[in-house]
Amino acid sequence: GAGVSQTPSNKVTEKGKYVELRCDPISGHTALYWYRQSLGQGPEFLIYFQGTGAADDSGLPNDRFFAVRPEGSVSTLKIQRTERGDSAVYLCASSLRGDRANSPLHFGNGTRLTVT
Amino acid sequence: AQSVTQLDSHVSVSEGTPVLLRCNYSSSYSPSLFWYVQHPNKGLQLLLKYTSAATLVKGINGFEAEFKKSETSFHLTKPSAHMSDAAEYFCVVRFMDTGRRALTFGSGTRLQVQP
Repeated sequence: GAGVSQTPSNKVTEKGKYVELRCDPISGHTALYWYRQSLGQGPEFLIYFQGTGAADDSGLPNDRFFAVRPEGSVSTLKIQRTERGDSAVYLCASSLRGDRANSPLHFGNGTRLTVT
Repeated sequence: AQSVTQLDSHVSVSEGTPVLLRCNYSSSYSPSLFWYVQHPNKGLQLLLKYTSAATLVKGINGFEAEFKKSETSFHLTKPSAHMSDAAEYFCVVRFMDTGRRALTFGSGTRLQVQP
């Protein structure tokens, strides 16, 4: 079956602009996660959804970052007033059950965001 | 404080020799543990996960990891490296005592395999 799909795969934007990154999780997966990976580093947690609600948004760096999952499936990560420091690969992952300890995450290929 | 540490940022081995990638964690409770691999320009792929059913966990592509609670370690091994194993490897932890469901990634170990 289809895996986690992220669009676009690459996004170049100018400093100060607004961007939206989309994630389509594996069908039936109730949990959805956003991570950010900077060059040479491990992925850093941003936000976790269980169904439609953000169960943990403690990783969002500031109020320029926001994410939604209105119908409990597709999610959109929104970044306002982008800064050059926002340049990174944004990863989305889903899992069947977010409340199960050993439930692994299935990752998409990411969106590479470049802010010029 | 809870943390996950990968002790080597780079490991280089010759093809056909054993691989050891080290991971230690710090937690008051036994966490859930995973290893993920990331090939260049590819997505993260699950190698294996610790389920508490057995301390030695077998994963894909011949990789294994052993959970040692007394040492708070979850090192990844493979008896014989293949050129296709060259990639970035992440030790990943879900800390169960916080109620947090997100996975915490180590900083990664880049494995090079020499012919």
